[in-house]
Amino acid sequence: EPEVTQTPSHQVTQMGQEVILRCVPISNHLYFYWYRQILGQKVEFLVSFYNNEISEKSEIFDDQFSVERPDGSNFTLKIRSTKLEDSAMYFCASRWGTSGGEQYFGPGTRLTVT
Amino acid sequence: QKEVEQDPGPLSVPEGAIVSLNCTYSNSAFQYFMWYRQYSRKGPELLMYTYSSGNKEDGRFTAQVDKSSKYISLFIRDSQPSDSATYLCAMSGTGANSKLTFGKGITLSVRP
Repeated sequence: EPEVTQTPSHQVTQMGQEVILRCVPISNHLYFYWYRQILGQKVEFLVSFYNNEISEKSEIFDDQFSVERPDGSNFTLKIRSTKLEDSAMYFCASRWGTSGGEQYFGPGTRLTVT
Repeated sequence: QKEVEQDPGPLSVPEGAIVSLNCTYSNSAFQYFMWYRQYSRKGPELLMYTYSSGNKEDGRFTAQVDKSSKYISLFIRDSQPSDSATYLCAMSGTGANSKLTFGKGITLSVRP
């Protein structure tokens, strides 16, 4: 069964460093998302991406964040200068349909900023 | 008022019990309703997906949506220890890019 994959599973970085989180969405999906989950809190939307551009972003997704689909399979989230409060699980999700609804999530990348 | 509220739990039931998990919401634009299961430090796994009001059944799981009351439920029949996990409700509007808005999740423990 096709699935969303993410690498790395765990990333430890120092405050102020840049990190890139990588995702490979399900191959025929058209819509891509990043969410994050701070420990003990709800899953929060960061950004949606379609047709090589951002469709919507949350207030969390400030100038320190960027997304890219560098080729036909990868989807990346870059955090330019990490802060302690960026420590969280980051989930990539994808869907194929033309209406709202179900999204399929990857296993997540645990980002620890020290 | 929060957009999506979910009973905080945790919930502990004996094996074989019927489990009822619930969420309420305030945004009338929500049309798609999902239940995800999440194990510790893992990604949400889609369990059930419903459009608009009504019931949907899949094996031991039944999802129910009452849009007039802005209330959704997930029922688990004959619960098993393997059902022990955190259950998240999630909702979205009808736009193609619609983001999911999640409840906080409830942790279920099924005792053998």
